Amino acid sequence: DVVVTQSPLSLPVTLGQPASISCRSGQSLVHSDGDTYLNWFLQRPGQSPRRLIYKVSNRDSGVPDRFSGSGSGTDFTLKISRVEAEDVGVYYCMQGTHWPLTFGGGTKVEI
Amino acid sequence: EVQLVESGGDVVQPGGSLRISCVASGFTFDTYSMNWIRQAPGKGLEWISYISSGSSTIYYADSVKGRFTVSRDNAKNSVYLQMNSLMAEDTAVYYCVRRNALLDYWGQGTLVTVSS
Repeated sequence: DVVVTQSPLSLPVTLGQPASISCRSGQSLVHSDGDTYLNWFLQRPGQSPRRLIYKVSNRDSGVPDRFSGSGSGTDFTLKISRVEAEDVGVYYCMQGTHWPLTFGGGTKVEI
Repeated sequence: EVQLVESGGDVVQPGGSLRISCVASGFTFDTYSMNWIRQAPGKGLEWISYISSGSSTIYYADSVKGRFTVSRDNAKNSVYLQMNSLMAEDTAVYYCVRRNALLDYWGQGTLVTVSS
């Protein structure tokens, strides 16, 4: 199985300041079709996870442009340009290139 | 609007069985693959099963292989997870999630508790 490692585990943030989460995979996430299936999810307290970013850098509809994803191969990053109160929760990266699908352990973002 | 609504979660004794369901709406169900993903209390996310749009391809995580069976009924816009030989470690919220590598829409989850 592809191991996906997130850091940090916990991220205290200040409103209006930037934040960054790292995600690393144990092997390249470039699929044979040429795409890289690395997605980011946010799980707010008491809610289901919601996808924010798909295939490394594509923002989902309704996701504020303060969220951005980048990276390639095995190293990926989620950045929040200016943290807002509604951004608190647990962020997960997930790889969809190799079966079984695997998730990072999560990063808890708190104010 | 895409909606996924899980149901059937319950308290089950170790060794018991349970079938949970997910009803989909707001999209052409028979053109999308589906997954089951679970989350143990206070823990992270674990993918456990995948079924293709026409049920021709099915995958399971090693942790549930041989005990869980995924199926779907496209006429009813539904996907199911039959869980047998349940263990305490299967206690979790089970989410129905659309699309294989992209996991674009999630249901609200249904809680399965395995306890005597």
